[in-house]
Amino acid sequence: DGGITQSPKYLFRKEGQNVTLSCEQNLNHDAMYWYRQDPGQGLRLIYYSQIVNDFQKGDIAEGYSVSREKKESFPLTVTSAQKNPTAFYLCASSVREQGDSPLHFGNGTRLTVT
Amino acid sequence: GEDVEQSLFLSVREGDSSVINCTYTDSSSTYLYWYKQEPGAGLQLLTYIFSNMDMKQDQRLTVLLNKKDKHLSLRIADTQTGDSAIYFCAESMDSNYQLIWGAGTKLIIKP
Repeated sequence: DGGITQSPKYLFRKEGQNVTLSCEQNLNHDAMYWYRQDPGQGLRLIYYSQIVNDFQKGDIAEGYSVSREKKESFPLTVTSAQKNPTAFYLCASSVREQGDSPLHFGNGTRLTVT
Repeated sequence: GEDVEQSLFLSVREGDSSVINCTYTDSSSTYLYWYKQEPGAGLQLLTYIFSNMDMKQDQRLTVLLNKKDKHLSLRIADTQTGDSAIYFCAESMDSNYQLIWGAGTKLIIKP
């Protein structure tokens, strides 16, 4: 079955450490996205990529980095520069850029930084 | 700027209809989406409506769009315990690629 896999489901890190969240899709989608979800708020876009080897900043890119070396993979690194990294992170993909193409989501990674 | 607003909670009795409301500010929206999120999971697409439509029905789900008032609603008929989740509305716009998300409405089912 096609889908998006995020791993791990739960991640714990000490302050000051970088951490990388994995996102893999086998839907053959061109576009991939990273969102951050905090309680009582809508989803906020961190980064997105419309094609391999290209990506753009979303609304809250500071303190995060991404790469898109393969169509299937879009890992997100939360760096020590991110001031409030504890959150639920969602990866998504779509056939083409979002807007007229529904998003397919992974099951998320809950990151806790202490 | 663009904004999408939803009530944070809705409580209904099992078997009743649930109506989740959403208002948006940008009149140039093209598609409006409803997503469902169960606890600890990602979002799943429930349904979407193109901005030139007034209504869309899909089994127990009915979406109504009032473009004049910039109001979108999702009606769930015969609400079941499995419908307990957070429901997000989102709009896409002509002007750019991004979706604008509401904060989500948590649907609570009373027995």
